[in-house]
Amino acid sequence: GNSVTQMEGPVTLSEEAFLTINCTYTATGYPSLFWYVQYPGEGLQLLLKATKADDKGSNKGFEATYRKETTSFHLEKGSVQVSDSAVYFCALSRTGTASKLTFGTGTRLQVTL
Amino acid sequence: EAGVAQSPRYKIIEKRQSVAFWCNPISGHATLYWYQQILGQGPKLLIQFQNNGVVDDSQLPKDRFSAERLKGVDSTLKIQPAKLEDSAVYLCASSLKGPDTQYFGPGTRLTVL
Repeated sequence: GNSVTQMEGPVTLSEEAFLTINCTYTATGYPSLFWYVQYPGEGLQLLLKATKADDKGSNKGFEATYRKETTSFHLEKGSVQVSDSAVYFCALSRTGTASKLTFGTGTRLQVTL
Repeated sequence: EAGVAQSPRYKIIEKRQSVAFWCNPISGHATLYWYQQILGQGPKLLIQFQNNGVVDDSQLPKDRFSAERLKGVDSTLKIQPAKLEDSAVYLCASSLKGPDTQYFGPGTRLTVL
């Protein structure tokens, strides 16, 4: 079946540090890949997505590239801010009507001054 | 544009009691999802509706959980009777149609004592 594996947290970084959160997946066919973010006390928000191999999703300075050869979708940001402190979830969905999201376990990011 | 609405935000019940959650999706969104998020884990799909029909309920514990989406708009999720292991955040999401981006509500945090 489909599955997503994320690096375990928490990840603690100083402001302006470089961020990488690893995500690999197992899926049949050609899934779409997503990063969702959950800020403290808030619901899940879509951060970025990619729908086919070699696509790069980007938003708010975050980027992730759909790598089919390594089945990966690692999240990166060049310079994190305190406001980026949140839990980040990698997810995939199949194409077609049954399009449920399969999530990883989440990675908590804590950014300090 | 109004987002996905859920109520209540918090609920505390004792085991063997019943509880119901309500979700109002974004206007015009045909697909509605209920996810269960246990603390420290990623959300897991319970049920997916396309308009008022069920697309996927393979992970719904049907002996105690039920859901409906009358008229293809609002939805309710019920647990009867609740168990301790049902303590979780119940998330509702909607999308314009199946494979589109899913938008999440703030969730209902259920505590079963």
